Amino acid sequence: GAGVSQSPSNKVTEKGKDVELRCDPISGHTALYWYRQSLGQGLEFLIYFQGNSAPDKSGLPSDRFSAERTGGSVSTLTIQRTQQEDSAVYLCASSRRTGDSPLHFGNGTRLTVT
Amino acid sequence: RKEVEQDPGPFNVPEGATVAFNCTYSNSASQSFFWYRQDCRKEPKLLMSVYSSGNEDGRFTAQLNRASQYISLLIRDSKLSDSATYLCVVKTASKIIFGSGTRLSIRP
Repeated sequence: GAGVSQSPSNKVTEKGKDVELRCDPISGHTALYWYRQSLGQGLEFLIYFQGNSAPDKSGLPSDRFSAERTGGSVSTLTIQRTQQEDSAVYLCASSRRTGDSPLHFGNGTRLTVT
Repeated sequence: RKEVEQDPGPFNVPEGATVAFNCTYSNSASQSFFWYRQDCRKEPKLLMSVYSSGNEDGRFTAQLNRASQYISLLIRDSKLSDSATYLCVVKTASKIIFGSGTRLSIRP
């Protein structure tokens, strides 16, 4: 079946511009996560959506970052006024609600801010 | 102290060798455990879940020790294609924590 789909796969933007990244989770997965990974570094948690509950935004690095998930499915991560330090791979993952369900990752969006 | 700790490596072992990684976690209420592998410039992919009784998948064996709060991954008869970063993942009721990964390099 279809996996987690992210778009675009690559994005180059100028400093100060806004960008929007999209994630389409696996059908039936109620949990959706966004992570960021800089080159050679580990995964940095950004935000977590579970069903209709209020999202866990504790990992968002600044108020320039926001995310929403409409209809409990597709999610968009928006970065306003991008900075060079925002350059990274942004990974989306989804899972079933049950506690022992693993995460399934999309291929990621590689963001480069020039 | 980090919630999930792994030896970053790198582990550099010859093809055919057996290699083992450990991962320790700090939250005794952790509920489920996984090993992922991540290839260079790729997304993490699930390698295996870790069950309380231990579990095996081909050349890979995962074990959980709740008393000492660690999980392990054993790779037997290592292949060149096993070269990757191995991530330990721990789930609690409210969050998922990734270790920073252990780099493994298999040499011919």
